[in-house]
Amino acid sequence: QLVLTQSPSASASLGASVKLTCTLSSGHSTYAIAWHHQQPGKGPRYLMKLYNDGSHSKGDGIPDRFSGSSSGAERYLTISSLQSEDEADYYCQTWGTGIVVFGGGTKLTVL
Amino acid sequence: QVQLQESGPGLGKPSQTLSLTCTVSGASISSGTNYWSWIRQHPGKGLEWIGYIHYGGNTRYNPSLKSRVTISVDTSKNQFSLRLSSVTAADTAMYYCARVKDGDYVDYWGQGTLVTVSS
Repeated sequence: QLVLTQSPSASASLGASVKLTCTLSSGHSTYAIAWHHQQPGKGPRYLMKLYNDGSHSKGDGIPDRFSGSSSGAERYLTISSLQSEDEADYYCQTWGTGIVVFGGGTKLTVL
Repeated sequence: QVQLQESGPGLGKPSQTLSLTCTVSGASISSGTNYWSWIRQHPGKGLEWIGYIHYGGNTRYNPSLKSRVTISVDTSKNQFSLRLSSVTAADTAMYYCARVKDGDYVDYWGQGTLVTVSS
């Protein structure tokens, strides 16, 4: 079964960097994913598509502070120079034949 | 710039059918390999995929909702719609429409519409 696992919460200080993790279920380690974020009270926004080789393509207007990387079944989102507006829920998403799957989300707190 | 806008009643009664429409601008719903999707978010919870449709009529639904869901498309209006039957309070959620690029990843989201099911 295609499942994405994310830690429920993460925190980092203003101006620092943070690396969020999304883990693909067994047998699906080569899958690409997408990262989305959802600021408080807003709808989600697409950040980037991330391939298993670590290459990624970002959505319109997404700052260079956001980058992606991969290792095995893990997909990462790194946010550098954290700003207050980066405090949000971060979701990974993948797909199979006729199905779309979301991870449970990580709530990022900027201290 | 692709934009999606949900519309529909914000309140429904148990056992009724929920109907929502998504109007797409900045892109033609009837071109390419994109799919058009509904996704919901229960209060304080994560995202749940409901299903999607291709303009050619191919539809796929979340197995957990499949028996109650119908997604349709109106290419003349550049819209697609969701019908969810036999609703209960458990269907109270924010409903988002979205574009699924090449049937893979969501690249554009609507702003969402809150639907409350209550007697």
